[in-house]
This record gives sequence, structure tokens and C-alpha cells, in this order.
Amino acid sequence: GAGVSQSPRYKVAKRGQDVALRCDPISGHVSLFWYQQALGQGPEFLTYFQNEAQLDKSGLPSDRFFAERPEGSVSTLKIQRTQQEDSAVYLCASSPRTSGRASTDTQYFGPGTRLTVL
Amino acid sequence: AQSVSQHNHHVILSEAASLELGCNYSYGGTVNLFWYVQYPGQHLQLLLKYFSGDPLVKGIKGFEAEFIKSKFSFNLRKPSVQWSDTAEYFCAVKSRNSGNTPLVFGKGTRLSVIA
Repeated sequence: GAGVSQSPRYKVAKRGQDVALRCDPISGHVSLFWYQQALGQGPEFLTYFQNEAQLDKSGLPSDRFFAERPEGSVSTLKIQRTQQEDSAVYLCASSPRTSGRASTDTQYFGPGTRLTVL
Repeated sequence: AQSVSQHNHHVILSEAASLELGCNYSYGGTVNLFWYVQYPGQHLQLLLKYFSGDPLVKGIKGFEAEFIKSKFSFNLRKPSVQWSDTAEYFCAVKSRNSGNTPLVFGKGTRLSVIA
């Protein structure tokens, strides 16, 4: 079946512009995660949704970062007034369950959006 | 806070050589452990995972990893690498509780396999 998809795959923004990155999780997956991967680093957690509820946003680096998942499926990560340090690959992952044995769920990753801020 | 340390930044091996990539984690509670691989131009894919039971887990493409609780380690191994194993390898950990928690990744190890 279809995996996690993200769009756009590449985004170039001028410093100060706002950007919106989209994630389509695997159909029926309850949990959705956003990660940021800087060059030469491993992915770092940004935020987590369970259905439409944002349960953890402790990884968002500043209040310029905002994420939503209004209908519990597609999610959008928005970055306002982009800065050069925001340049990174933004990864989305989804997993099936939310409680009980959810801790054993595998996270399935999308291809990422590479954001370059000039 | 959890952290993951991958000892090697870049490993270069000849085809048919044996591979071992180190991974150590720091966390006081019960964890689930993962190895993900990212082939050039592709997205992160799960290689293998450990949740409980036999500490030696086997994954896809001939990879295996051994969880050594006393050493907080989860090293990845493959007896004989192929050119197609050239990729970036990430070790990850997540705490095992009743809910869903994010993965904590290491910085990755780039593997280059040469003919």
C-alpha cells in the first residue's frame, strides 16, 4: 500500500518567508510525528499528534514553528519568518496505534522535505 | 533524557568484509531499540527492532543486532557486506511505556562499501 508522503520534496525560501510543509500519513495511522534532520545529524523530534490532538510539542525549536492535524489525517508543519538555521530535512513518520502496545509500534517515515533558507 | 551514541561517523569496507556498527544508549528505563537505514536518495527504512525476548534480533538483508542490557548497547552486524549496503545507518531508542513516544536517534554512521 501507499507509504507516508510529503510535499514539497524540496523548498527554497528567502529568509523571513513563511513556509508550509505537508505530510500524508499511511491511511488509518493514528500517530504522527515530525522530525528535523540537520546536515550530518540524526533526526530530532519536533512534535507528535494522536489523531488531531497535539500531545507533545516539546521539540519545536521556537514559537515560529507550528504544526496542525485538524482532521486527524494530513498534517502541516508551518515555519514563520524562516531563518538560515531552519535549513534541514523535515521528516514525517506515522504509526498505527496510540495506547496499550503502541510503544512497540514501528514508525514509518516519509521521504522528507529538504528546506533551504537563503 | 535519552541519548544515543554511534561511535563511527564513516566506515569504509571492501565487499565481503564483516560489519559491526556500534550503538550505545543512555536511558534508565525500559526501551525499544531500532536500526534504520537510509539508502542514497531514499527515505528511512526499518532494518530491525528489539522489543523483548531473544536479545539477538535478525532483520532484513542479512543484518542482525544484539541487545546487551548490561552495556546499554545494540550493535549492528552483518557477516559479509555488499556494495548495495552503502547507506547511512541510524540507531534509535524509544522508551517503552503505555503510550506512543518519539524516537531518539544517533547521529548516524555512513557506510561505504567498495568493490
